[in-house]
Parts: sequence; structure tokens; C-alpha cells
Amino acid sequence: GENVEQHPSTLSVQEGDSAVIKCTYSDSASNYFPWYKQELGKGPQLIIDIRSNVGEKKDQRIAVTLNKTAKHFSLHITETQPEDSAVYFCAASSAAGKSTFGDGTTLTVKP
Amino acid sequence: KAGVTQTPRYLIKTRGQQVTLSCSPISGHRSVSWYQQTPGQGLQFLFEYFSETQRNKGNFPGRFSGRQFSNSRSEMNVSTLELGDSALYLCASSPIDRGEQYFGPGTRLTVT
Repeated sequence: GENVEQHPSTLSVQEGDSAVIKCTYSDSASNYFPWYKQELGKGPQLIIDIRSNVGEKKDQRIAVTLNKTAKHFSLHITETQPEDSAVYFCAASSAAGKSTFGDGTTLTVKP
Repeated sequence: KAGVTQTPRYLIKTRGQQVTLSCSPISGHRSVSWYQQTPGQGLQFLFEYFSETQRNKGNFPGRFSGRQFSNSRSEMNVSTLELGDSALYLCASSPIDRGEQYFGPGTRLTVT
């Protein structure tokens, strides 16, 4: 089955700096790669996603890149703010409704 | 549009009991997936239902089961609860075959 590895497990940055989280996947059939943000006491919230026919996608301060050949994808957050502090999860999916998640990255943005 | 709702939000059960959790998807979404989240194992896929049929299943024992009703609402059941079943159970709904999943707030199950 699919295996997703996520790095780093914790990340601390200064407000205004950029943050990068990287994931690798194993199943070449995976074609959908979402990123989720989970705040304390809440369910994961979809923040951006990318499909395998696209190499990069951007939404304001957030961007995701995908390298299908190397089977890795990354989340980039620019101009970080304290409210970006949360746990971020990457996921890979080859079947509708079923995603394999990375172990999560705890991002702390220091004011 | 209302989000995914899950009931109850918190539950305490005793080992050996059974429990039923409920999920109401976003209106118009026909796919409902269930995940178990624990500190040690992360987010683990349980199963996915589409149009009342189980379409995908994760690697969980048969004590974990689910179903989906004609209005797309879903329930999951865990029988003969074990201490290790203590977790946050998350439900997610998806528009038909489009991939993106929208999660509810979860049900926090504690087994004592």
C-alpha cells in the first residue's frame, strides 16, 4: 500500500520567515496530494491541494510543488504569521475517498 | 453551506462495550470516509462509503464497521472496545470522485 513520509516533525520559525514541509510517497498510482492544517481541538482543514498533472499551485502565501518523478511534494508558507502555528499534514491519494497521511509537522511561528 | 457534523463530540466507554458514532456530511457530498487519529499512529484510514456501499477499507479488525444511509449520513460502530481504541475519530466527506475531503471536528472516544 501507499506510504507517506513527512519531514520535519517539528518546525520553528520567526514571524515573517518562510516555512517548508516536505513529503515523499511510494505509490506511483497516487494522483492527488492535499495538505491539511489542524488546530487544537479541531479536525484537519484542507488548505491547498495539487493533482498529478500540475507541478505547482499557489494560493496567496501558500504554495505546493510536486515532483512526480522523484515522488515528492512540498508545502511552502511565506511571510509566516503566529496564526499559522498548527499541525500540518500531507496526504497522498489514488482512490477517491481514501488518503494516506504523513505523520504531521508541528509548526510554531514565534512573534 | 454547513460543514461536516459529528456526534457525539466526546464519549467515555468501558472496555468490552460497543459504541456508535455518527457523521452528517456536507449537503450534496455522497462520499464519507472515517479515520482514526492517535498520537502514536497518526491518521489511519478506516473505511469509505459511497452511495451506501463500502468502497475502500483500511487495515482495521472486523470490530470496526460502518454503514451509510440513503441521505449519505454515516455511522461507524466499534464492538468489544479495547483500551487501544481510545482516539479521535474523524469523518470526512467528499464531492463525488473529486478527491478533496472536508473533515468534521471528530469524536473523542476514551475507553477505560
